[in-house]
Amino acid sequence: DGGITQSPKYLFRKEGQNVTLSCEQNLNHDAMYWYRQDPGQGLRLIYYSQIVNDFQKGDIAEGYSVSREKKESFPLTVTSAQKNPTAFYLCASSIRTALRSEHEQYFGPGTRLTVT
Amino acid sequence: EDKVVQSPLSLVVHEGDTVTLNCSYEVTNFRSLLWYKQEKKAPTFLFMLTSSGIEKKSGRLSSILDKKELFSILNITATQTGDSAIYLCAAGQGAQKLVFGQGTRLTINP
Repeated sequence: DGGITQSPKYLFRKEGQNVTLSCEQNLNHDAMYWYRQDPGQGLRLIYYSQIVNDFQKGDIAEGYSVSREKKESFPLTVTSAQKNPTAFYLCASSIRTALRSEHEQYFGPGTRLTVT
Repeated sequence: EDKVVQSPLSLVVHEGDTVTLNCSYEVTNFRSLLWYKQEKKAPTFLFMLTSSGIEKKSGRLSSILDKKELFSILNITATQTGDSAIYLCAAGQGAQKLVFGQGTRLTINP
């Protein structure tokens, strides 16, 4: 079964601790993305990566870091510098083909992070 | 500033009703308009529109884009309780980026 997995589903951390959220895909997609969703708001782009060993900041990258050492994996670290880290985090991936645009992104089930 | 605005933010209707969800956008380097359905967790892809005036249909759902007036609508006919969800609109910008609206929370009462 092809898909995107995120782990864990729920994560609780104390303020001041860094935490890493996992995202893995076996769709052979080149591009991967991290979004944050807050209640009553749409998704906001944190980071994205078009190829291995390359990534770009999105609209709200401050306080976050990523790596892309393998095509299948795009972990997100929420650092202690992120002022309001409690949110729902969604990972997505996409591929450009003759029939599909890279805008057509497919999402994982998300990780709900609570920091107290 | 790039923005995508959806309306209404919340809608409650009875099963069998027809609903229209709206999405307006102001995005530089616009390439496409996408609709997603989010029930509990992962948004699932519904439609991508790139051309004005061409309706896309999937069962009871349909959508159309107006690139002159910078908006799109999503229609759902003969609604069912399973249509209850948050519907997200996103504008495709440049090669890969999506700019999302706030979402419309649709509730279908039996």
